[in-house]
Amino acid sequence: QVHLVQSGAEMKKPGASVKVSCKASGYTFTTYTIHWVRQAPGQRLEWMGWFNAGNDNTKYSQKFQGRVTITRDTSASTAYMELSSLRSEDTAVYYCARDQYSKGGHYFDYWGQGTLVTVSS
Amino acid sequence: DIQMTQSPSSLSASVGDRVTITCRASQSILSYLNWYQQKPGKAPKLLIYAASSLQSGVPSRFSGSGSGTDFALTISSLQPEDFAIYFCQQSYSTAYTFGQGTKLEIK
Repeated sequence: QVHLVQSGAEMKKPGASVKVSCKASGYTFTTYTIHWVRQAPGQRLEWMGWFNAGNDNTKYSQKFQGRVTITRDTSASTAYMELSSLRSEDTAVYYCARDQYSKGGHYFDYWGQGTLVTVSS
Repeated sequence: DIQMTQSPSSLSASVGDRVTITCRASQSILSYLNWYQQKPGKAPKLLIYAASSLQSGVPSRFSGSGSGTDFALTISSLQPEDFAIYFCQQSYSTAYTFGQGTKLEIK
């Protein structure tokens, strides 16, 4: 069965960068796009960007453009999300999710367990 | 970006009740609307995609309806495991956006 397993919690200082990993199993990694979504305390889910593991195309939310980079290591079936210039407002749980597509549009059918990133001086 | 607004923000109900949560988009999104359930400390779980299609493995007491700007998630007979937060998400625009969530609590 499909699993997305993310790296562990991180604590970072303002201005630093964080890189979160998402290891996929149970399906062919290059066949699906991976999204990154975050959830700050008490806030709604916020989409950050996607990465097509088959053709290396990416698309980022305008809000994070210039600060977020999504990459992959195909040999390890792992996607990465790196967020730079961290500030306290970036404290959140970060999720990876697999994209699925039907004639009714895209949806996220499998999610990682989430990675808490805390930004504090 | 397309704004998604859910109502109510919270709801108290009893086991066996029928409940409906609504989601409104700031512009027409056709049927590109998904629903997720999230329990404390857990990742969201897909319930409904394309407004009314039930995800495999999700109980049939969950159903979705609507198109254009107005959508609804209905749980026909609440079970103890259904008390959670529910989010809608639009995929009409690839700048995907989510509703603020509806917290379903036990009365």
